[in-house]
Amino acid sequence: AQSVTQPDIHITVSEGASLELRCNYSYGATPYLFWYVQSPGQGLQLLLKYFSGDTLVQGIKGFEAEFKRSQSSFNLRKPSVHWSDAAEYFCAVVIKAAGNKLTFGGGTRVLVKP
Amino acid sequence: DSGVTQTPKHLITATGQRVTLRCSPRSGDLSVYWYQQSLDQGLQFLIQYYNGEERAKGNILERFSAQQFPDLHSELNLSSLELGDSALYFCASSVATPGETQYFGPGTRLLVL
Repeated sequence: AQSVTQPDIHITVSEGASLELRCNYSYGATPYLFWYVQSPGQGLQLLLKYFSGDTLVQGIKGFEAEFKRSQSSFNLRKPSVHWSDAAEYFCAVVIKAAGNKLTFGGGTRVLVKP
Repeated sequence: DSGVTQTPKHLITATGQRVTLRCSPRSGDLSVYWYQQSLDQGLQFLIQYYNGEERAKGNILERFSAQQFPDLHSELNLSSLELGDSALYFCASSVATPGETQYFGPGTRLLVL
């Protein structure tokens, strides 16, 4: 079945440490790929997106993501986490032939230790 | 601030009732999308409108309906509410081209008692 998988439900990281959030998709063709962040009580904010071209994408708030076609992955990274990065992160895809609806992974909740 | 507004922010109602959620898209965006976020189902696409017409449908119940008005604002109508309809309902808007960024509103939190 077509799906977006975020294997880690929770991740705890120390402030200043690096962070990597995993995302895998299962679709026949490469979809458009997105990472959104949801802070407590807030809506969803786009961090970055990949359509084509350079497989390393830079986003806001110091985040980057790397698209790996061979692994059907789009992992999100940040070299040094700040306490304000505590939030829930969602990977999402748009299937080009199916309109513009976003299909989301289950999310990864990030906790930041002082 | 994404530029997408949703009202009300919170809604508490009883089973069997009907509610209307409202969304105003960003200026210039023709497409509006509705998503539901619940603990058991996660974030799910419900329905999309483009310039007043329904464009795509997702896992939207028959008890739910939506429309987009000439001024491009949209309403999501939820009727015969059940406990399981309690969720956060997001509206998003975009220019409309596939893959274009969807900007999300702050959501309406619905609690059905």
